[in-house]
Amino acid sequence: GAVVSQHPSRVICKSGTSVKIECRSLDFQATTMFWYRQFPKQSLMLMATSNEGSKATYEQGVEKDKFLINHASLTLSTLTVTSAHPEDSSFYICSAAGLAESLEYFGPGTRLTVT
Amino acid sequence: SQKIEQNSEALNIQEGKTATLTCNYTNYSPAYLQWYRQDPGRGPVFLLLIRENEKEKRKERLKVTFDTTLKQSLFHITASQPADSATYLCALVLNSGNTPLVFGKGTRLSVIA
Repeated sequence: GAVVSQHPSRVICKSGTSVKIECRSLDFQATTMFWYRQFPKQSLMLMATSNEGSKATYEQGVEKDKFLINHASLTLSTLTVTSAHPEDSSFYICSAAGLAESLEYFGPGTRLTVT
Repeated sequence: SQKIEQNSEALNIQEGKTATLTCNYTNYSPAYLQWYRQDPGRGPVFLLLIRENEKEKRKERLKVTFDTTLKQSLFHITASQPADSATYLCALVLNSGNTPLVFGKGTRLSVIA
């Protein structure tokens, strides 16, 4: 149980385009989903927290107009990187919570490369 | 300032030995502390959770200790195997409920056959 999927696993896009990443909890309802970003040899840095049906809460320094988060259902959250630039190239990981207190279940991550 | 440090970026040990990884934190009062395993290009996988009122937790070959006075957690893998090679992350849970984790940078463990 507690499987979280992400799609796509890898994406390459051109500078200026937008990319959508999906995060799904496959066998449980996730009341909260988190989006993290991880640069090489760095830790996971929280970008935003999203609760189903409400607006996401963004961490300081994360542009909400650039990283659009939608959490329309208890099993799906999406992150859209708008007008992507090469510096947005990173490993994006989502996690889902709601199955057991204080436990997050992580997706496999999405490698974004902006050329 | 608030910090969470895993003070070995990389650790190499011989197969069969016990690996000990350290996580120290400053200016946090976590309710829980968790350890995750992350393989290259993959998301973290939960291993163990230890609460602030627990001293030690075990799961198979894994053992975690939590000293809130020292603000330190130790993560042990006994009888290590090459398949244990991965990056191990410690993470703090600051409040109960669905609050985000605060991660350390991780320790890259290599178990040499």
